Amino acid sequence: GIQVEQSPPDLILQEGANSTLRCNFSDSVNNLQWFHQNPWGQLINLFYIPSGTKQNGRLSATTVATERYSLLYISSSQTTDSGVYFCAVKGNQFYFGTGTSLTVIP
Amino acid sequence: KAGVTQTPRYLIKTRGQQVTLSCSPISGHRSVSWYQQTPGQGLQFLFEYFSETQRNKGNFPGRFSGRQFSNSRSEMNVSTLELGDSALYLCASSPQGAVRGANVLTFGAGSRLTVL
Repeated sequence: GIQVEQSPPDLILQEGANSTLRCNFSDSVNNLQWFHQNPWGQLINLFYIPSGTKQNGRLSATTVATERYSLLYISSSQTTDSGVYFCAVKGNQFYFGTGTSLTVIP
Repeated sequence: KAGVTQTPRYLIKTRGQQVTLSCSPISGHRSVSWYQQTPGQGLQFLFEYFSETQRNKGNFPGRFSGRQFSNSRSEMNVSTLELGDSALYLCASSPQGAVRGANVLTFGAGSRLTVL
């Protein structure tokens, strides 16, 4: 299967700080998605981004498919951004990374 | 538009019992996939159903099974429960076909299973 690695595994930020989360994957994909899992376990889809750059408010994502990585940028972080961020890529099935656990401190 | 609905949200079973979990996808979504999330193994793909047919299956024992009905609702069943089956079971749906966002996953809130 496709290997998906995310870094860093843990991140603690002061409210208002910016951060970059990285997702590396081991094979060519045409479907990559970023999710945020809140403390109650709900996974929310942030971006469908097989290539290129997208922005949604304080969040943006870039995927460089030819180099097999994707980045998620969080600007002006808020406490509600806390949770675990996953990237997932699709081969014959979806493969998820191990996630980045983000804690935003007031 | 209602989201993906999973029932029950929480359940406790004992070893050897069986359990059935239900997932109702977003109206119009034809694909339903299931995932197991544990602290040790992370998020792992169980199976995917499309038009009542299993399209893919992950690396899980035969005790894990599923099905999809004609209205796209799906169920998964785990027989002869083991302690290691304790997990959050997540269901996701996607539209599929030649539509915008065909392969974008929308997840339900999950069913948290505890096996004692």
